Amino acid sequence: GENVEQHPSTLSVQEGDSAVIKCTYSDSASNYFPWYKQELGKGPQLIIDIRSNVGEKKDQRIAVTLNKTAKHFSLHITETQPEDSAVYFCAASKNSGNTPLVFGKGTRLSVIA
Amino acid sequence: GAVVSQHPSRVICKSGTSVKIECRSLDFQATTMFWYRQFPKQSLMLMATSNEGSKATYEQGVEKDKFLINHASLTLSTLTVTSAHPEDSSFYICSATDLRTGYGYTFGSGTRLTVV
Repeated sequence: GENVEQHPSTLSVQEGDSAVIKCTYSDSASNYFPWYKQELGKGPQLIIDIRSNVGEKKDQRIAVTLNKTAKHFSLHITETQPEDSAVYFCAASKNSGNTPLVFGKGTRLSVIA
Repeated sequence: GAVVSQHPSRVICKSGTSVKIECRSLDFQATTMFWYRQFPKQSLMLMATSNEGSKATYEQGVEKDKFLINHASLTLSTLTVTSAHPEDSSFYICSATDLRTGYGYTFGSGTRLTVV
């Protein structure tokens, strides 16, 4: 089955700097790659997603890139703010909705003011 | 947008008792529900997949007789932890999808279960 590796496990950045989190997946049939932000005691919140027919997607300070050949995708957060501090999870699935997401182990991001 | 309401948000129960967790899709029909478990500082691990009107499919290592899943309607799925033990203490999260409209992976807010 699918296996998703995520790095780093922890990341500390100064406020205003950029943060990059990387994930690799094993199943070439996976075609949907969302990123979630999870705050303590809450469910995961979708922040951005990308499908395999797109190489890059951007939403304000957040961007995701996908390299299908290498089977890796990355989350980029620019101009980080203290409220960006949370745990971020990448995930992958073969189809959007009808097969379960497989999650990476998560990255704890700390933005230092 | 799509919303999944999950209740309760927190529950404490005694060992040996059962606890029911509900997930309701508020503005869409949940044809498929995924149930995840998350231990502290760990990732979300899939427990089971249920399709409306069908029996749930459990992941390897998840006891189907202990974690009872009911998905009898398109707007409600329940997870019942039977004969709970302290090792069942965890954060349980549901995720609903509607294959007919394209809504995918809407997560509930989670249930913190503590078994004492």
